[in-house]
Amino acid sequence: GNSVTQMEGPVTLSEEAFLTINCTYTATGYPSLFWYVQYPGEGLQLLLKATKADDKGSNKGFEATYRKETTSFHLEKGSVQVSDSAVYFCALTLNQAGTALIFGKGTTLSVSS
Amino acid sequence: DGGITQSPKYLFRKEGQNVTLSCEQNLNHDAMYWYRQDPGQGLRLIYYSQIVNDFQKGDIAEGYSVSREKKESFPLTVTSAQKNPTAFYLCASSRSGQGANGYTFGSGTRLTVV
Repeated sequence: GNSVTQMEGPVTLSEEAFLTINCTYTATGYPSLFWYVQYPGEGLQLLLKATKADDKGSNKGFEATYRKETTSFHLEKGSVQVSDSAVYFCALTLNQAGTALIFGKGTTLSVSS
Repeated sequence: DGGITQSPKYLFRKEGQNVTLSCEQNLNHDAMYWYRQDPGQGLRLIYYSQIVNDFQKGDIAEGYSVSREKKESFPLTVTSAQKNPTAFYLCASSRSGQGANGYTFGSGTRLTVV
């Protein structure tokens, strides 16, 4: 079946450290890939996306590259801030009518000053 | 500004009661979705609707019901048949059923059974 696997958290970093959150997927066909962020007590916000192999999504200093050969979409940021503390979700959609976004279990990031 | 409004933000329900969660969007999106979020389990799909008067079950539809009488509205009823309803519920919408542009989410409703 179709699924998304994220590294388990929590991830604890000091301010200005480098961040990587791993995400791999299993999908029939050619999915679009997404990273969402959830701040405490809120809904999810779209952080970035990529719709085909080798595409790089980027936003607010975060980046992720769609790697078809390794079925991965790892999230990276060169220098994290305290305000980046949140839960991060990797997700995919199969771009077909009648399907919905499939989410990973989420990774909690905690950044201290 | 366009967006999705979920209400109420917090909801308390006695065991054995049905309760309805509201979700309204003014984005002119065709598709709408309900997810349930539990700690450590990510988001699980309850129901989704791609057009008015049509909806499909997701992965965990048992104990829930929905309606889609208007494009803007997709209410979720948590029935007494839902064995463990305490959770955070998120509503989302997308321009089309394919979701290739991603979803817009509401701010959620936290339901607690007392």
